[in-house]
Amino acid sequence: DAMVIQNPRYQVTQFGKPVTLSCSQTLNHNVMYWYQQKSSQAPKLLFHYYDKDFNNEADTPDNFQSRRPNTSFCFLDIRSPGLGDAAMYLCATSTMVTRGPLGLAGAGYEQYFGPGTRLTVT
Amino acid sequence: AQSVTQLDSHVSVSEGTPVLLRCNYSSSYSPSLFWYVQHPNKGLQLLLKYTSAATLVKGINGFEAEFKKSETSFHLTKPSAHMSDAAEYFCVVGRGSYIPTFGRGTSLIVHP
Repeated sequence: DAMVIQNPRYQVTQFGKPVTLSCSQTLNHNVMYWYQQKSSQAPKLLFHYYDKDFNNEADTPDNFQSRRPNTSFCFLDIRSPGLGDAAMYLCATSTMVTRGPLGLAGAGYEQYFGPGTRLTVT
Repeated sequence: AQSVTQLDSHVSVSEGTPVLLRCNYSSSYSPSLFWYVQHPNKGLQLLLKYTSAATLVKGINGFEAEFKKSETSFHLTKPSAHMSDAAEYFCVVGRGSYIPTFGRGTSLIVHP
């Protein structure tokens, strides 16, 4: 089945030790998103890619970086994790988003989410 | 600009009774609206979506939602709750510049 895969499902890292979370998709979607979700809160968008175009949310800390080497894979790098970065990290994809004169435009296509990676910082 | 308000942070029902999760939206465009469900320690799963076709939308697991433009609402309903419906539910609006906007979520609690 076509799907969004996140590895690992659970990640424990030490305070200040860099960590990388990965996401892969077999849906061939052109948009990929990374969200941070803390307990009892809605997912918070960190950044998204339209193909290889990277779009950072204004309030995403510099500590968070991302790479998308090809359509299928996307990585989230946390350069120096703090205790406040402990959260669930969700990857999502979407399709058929087109670029129009006003920028990225969507026709209302849904997102497909991976199962998430639970990050613990000790 | 777009926004979404989920009117209840928690809804508690008994198994076998109806479920109503409320969502109001605002959007500069004709909106696309979605409901997602999230079980503990899992990703989000699409329940249903409205994209300007039929105003009554049927989804998975017996859920449905009705788009009411005059009320700017997109409430989620189910005639009879099951224990497995206990989860977090998110109402999402997305149209135009496609960065979807999430509601804060509603926790559905189902009592035996």
